[in-house]
Amino acid sequence: AQKITQTQPGMFVQEKEAVTLDCTYDTSDPSYGLFWYKQPSSGEMIFLIYQGSYDQQNATEGRYSLNFQKARKSANLVISASQLGDSAMYFCAMREASGNTPLVFGKGTRLSVIA
Amino acid sequence: DAGVIQSPRHEVTEMGQEVTLRCKPISGHDYLFWYRQTMMRGLELLIYFNNNVPIDDSGMPEDRFSAKMPNASFSTLKIQPSEPRDSAVYFCASSLGTGGYLAPNEKLFFGSGTQLSVL
Repeated sequence: AQKITQTQPGMFVQEKEAVTLDCTYDTSDPSYGLFWYKQPSSGEMIFLIYQGSYDQQNATEGRYSLNFQKARKSANLVISASQLGDSAMYFCAMREASGNTPLVFGKGTRLSVIA
Repeated sequence: DAGVIQSPRHEVTEMGQEVTLRCKPISGHDYLFWYRQTMMRGLELLIYFNNNVPIDDSGMPEDRFSAKMPNASFSTLKIQPSEPRDSAVYFCASSLGTGGYLAPNEKLFFGSGTQLSVL
């Protein structure tokens, strides 16, 4: 069963606008961690932001924030004030706490920022 | 500090040849992961090690694939014989771990990947 679902294969956003990338997940483990990674055209995987299942507040890192809705099992990435350099693939990933498990990734969303 | 180092960066080979991909994890990291990225399947976990011991190799697609970690600073992923459908980007990644446990907030640090093309 797919544990991480990213329903938007591709998205466009105007420079300086905000954009939300969707991520839903499936787990019965009460303890888990959610991650977002960015993959620019150069290919490297860059960690952006982390949200723990027990965290009371939504995570923020500069222009990145995570809209965490636990009951809906969603962990959407919000990028504010988009820049041309934000054009990349974005991956949502999850680790469940039980079983000492590795990260499982979604299929990604390709974001294109338009000038 | 050096990050995860993978070599080669690009590999082009002919069907039937043996391919060996190499990885040096971040020093002190107890966990090492091999992922494969394709357009169709996204990022798939192939195998991962804890303290040089393979923990889960259920993602290895076939017996043609093998991975080793002879010491804490080196791992290889070997494909023998290679096939065109093995063409993909192969990533190595490492995580710190604590006392043999991967906490939910443990980040993965990725290498630059190896772009493999099998003709």
